Amino acid sequence: DAMVIQNPRYQVTQFGKPVTLSCSQTLNHNVMYWYQQKSSQAPKLLFHYYDKDFNNEADTPDNFQSRRPNTSFCFLDIRSPGLGDAAMYLCATSRDKQETQYFGPGTRLLVL
Amino acid sequence: AQSVTQPDIHITVSEGASLELRCNYSYGATPYLFWYVQSPGQGLQLLLKYFSGDTLVQGIKGFEAEFKRSQSSFNLRKPSVHWSDAAEYFCAVGAQGSQGNLIFGKGTKLSVKP
Repeated sequence: DAMVIQNPRYQVTQFGKPVTLSCSQTLNHNVMYWYQQKSSQAPKLLFHYYDKDFNNEADTPDNFQSRRPNTSFCFLDIRSPGLGDAAMYLCATSRDKQETQYFGPGTRLLVL
Repeated sequence: AQSVTQPDIHITVSEGASLELRCNYSYGATPYLFWYVQSPGQGLQLLLKYFSGDTLVQGIKGFEAEFKRSQSSFNLRKPSVHWSDAAEYFCAVGAQGSQGNLIFGKGTKLSVKP
């Protein structure tokens, strides 16, 4: 049974056109994370929500935003995608801080 | 600064041979440690984790890892590799008492020869 679901799996957008990626979870976990992974690189944390508290990493560009309307869903909004934002975006959840993170299958974003 | 080093970018082993993937970390606080595996175009799957207790931990798919505090290492091992183990492997470290952020190594790509 899928526990962390990401939609879509592949997303193509145009340079500068806003795009939203979706993540949902059936684990009822408190924490949800968004990572960016560029080709042949390690995942890089963008931000996370601990319940409704938003925690942004210091070096995450302002172009990236997130919303968590309820426990199950979390969205990643890229306001004006650039070519450098093409990457795999991974969502993860954990029951609490410092606990095991469970990852979704990722959304691969292509910017034309 | 906190860091995780996976010194081997790419490793090739023959099917049936043993495997060891290296991971070293630099972390001021008491760490907790993970190994994840990623197949092409897929998300990360947890192989195993260490929080405390026995320093030799068993994971899924026949993998194990040993935490050695004196060497700041958490190497991943498997006695006999299968062709389906070909993937990228990431070591990750978090600090107890932190916000829960993980620091990932750059990964080791494993190829398996028939």
